[in-house]
Amino acid sequence: DTAVSQTPKYLVTQMGNDKSIKCEQNLGHDTMYWYKQDSKKFLKIMFSYNNKELIINETVPNRFSPKSPDKAHLNLHINSLELGDSAVYFCASSRINTIYFGEGSWLTVV
Amino acid sequence: DAKTTQPTSMDCAEGRAANLPCNHSTISGNEYVYWYRQIHSQGPQYIIHGLKNNETNEMASLIITEDRKSSTLILPHATLRDTAVYYCIVRVEADSWGKLQFGAGTQVVVTP
Repeated sequence: DTAVSQTPKYLVTQMGNDKSIKCEQNLGHDTMYWYKQDSKKFLKIMFSYNNKELIINETVPNRFSPKSPDKAHLNLHINSLELGDSAVYFCASSRINTIYFGEGSWLTVV
Repeated sequence: DAKTTQPTSMDCAEGRAANLPCNHSTISGNEYVYWYRQIHSQGPQYIIHGLKNNETNEMASLIITEDRKSSTLILPHATLRDTAVYYCIVRVEADSWGKLQFGAGTQVVVTP
């Protein structure tokens, strides 16, 4: 069974559209995250949620809105997509010393 | 969190040990050394972490110098599937919010 699963794996969309990426973890972890990996391959944290509460928001544009309906889910909604949003988005969850990442969602904005 | 310095890339022969160095000269007393790796087109994967003692698990060994200013990740018998980018990260373990700061990492290529 996949520990951290995210959908869709690939997404191609036009500028200006609104899209969502879903994430689910079956590890029973309280903390979930969204990371972004850009074209230069640098991984950066976007958001961190603990028990459905926002803990970290790394100066991400307001167009990005995470939603955590319960501890096992953290979805990422993006409004008015821009070309620069093209990247790989990784969902993750953790206990204290280990973070488990999903396989990534490849977003391409055209 | 302290900054780390790693070589950009390194090659390793299949079946041989791969020794990946990491410098973290500004590490604080309560910061742990973590290693993750990212195989192409996959999410990052936890490998190992330690504070000051050497650590070993089924994937690798971690050797931390006595002054804790550097460490080495050892893959004892590298396989082709170990080809990946390896990230050395230092952070406070009690920081359970998981703000891992990834650098550029070391691209390891294991060759037959």
